[in-house]
Amino acid sequence: ETGVTQTPRHLVMGMTNKKSLKCEQHLGHNAMYWYKQSAKKPLELMFVYSLEERVENNSVPSRFSPECPNSSHLFLHLHTLQPEDSALYLCASSQDLPGADNEKLFFGSGTQLSVL
Amino acid sequence: EDKVVQSPLSLVVHEGDTVTLNCSYEVTNFRSLLWYKQEKKAPTFLFMLTSSGIEKKSGRLSSILDKKELSSILNITATQTGDSAIYLCAVAGGGGADGLTFGKGTHLIIQP
Repeated sequence: ETGVTQTPRHLVMGMTNKKSLKCEQHLGHNAMYWYKQSAKKPLELMFVYSLEERVENNSVPSRFSPECPNSSHLFLHLHTLQPEDSALYLCASSQDLPGADNEKLFFGSGTQLSVL
Repeated sequence: EDKVVQSPLSLVVHEGDTVTLNCSYEVTNFRSLLWYKQEKKAPTFLFMLTSSGIEKKSGRLSSILDKKELSSILNITATQTGDSAIYLCAVAGGGGADGLTFGKGTHLIIQP
């Protein structure tokens, strides 16, 4: 248990579905992140929220829509995804704000997403 | 664009061996280098190395940062099957909210 909980653990969806990934951190941290991990590729940063404000959107297609209603919760809304979006989606949180010298991320177990 | 390269990408050794994993980076405004262990899904934090802390040790694991060579190594001595995992290197740099830049990882397999 890392203090960062993600649901669901697995998700299979069709290209026309709408679904949401949920992340909750129990660590009292100030920043939350979405990363995408595809086979044989490095983790790719998607979104960063600092004190509930989005501070980074790494050229992510609009079919991915993040939401951070409070400092403990982060969602990733999915709509009309493509098969190449199949990947492990990892949520992370950090005590320090993005850009701080001691920025250290704690990760959840991820949602394994398959788009058919 | 920030870049992190890890080598080897995969490594198979026998229990009891010592392994050295490598990480090199190109990043503007370097702040820190981090090592993570990913066994199943969640990467778990191992070490953070900064300009003021270039060497860290925890049990059989140790890591050194070489700021001159822009690289780091992760050593594991007396390896055990439980050390089998993907080891990720990440660098914090740039300005503002760039998050961490990760390498592809080294997939380490320890055979009994």
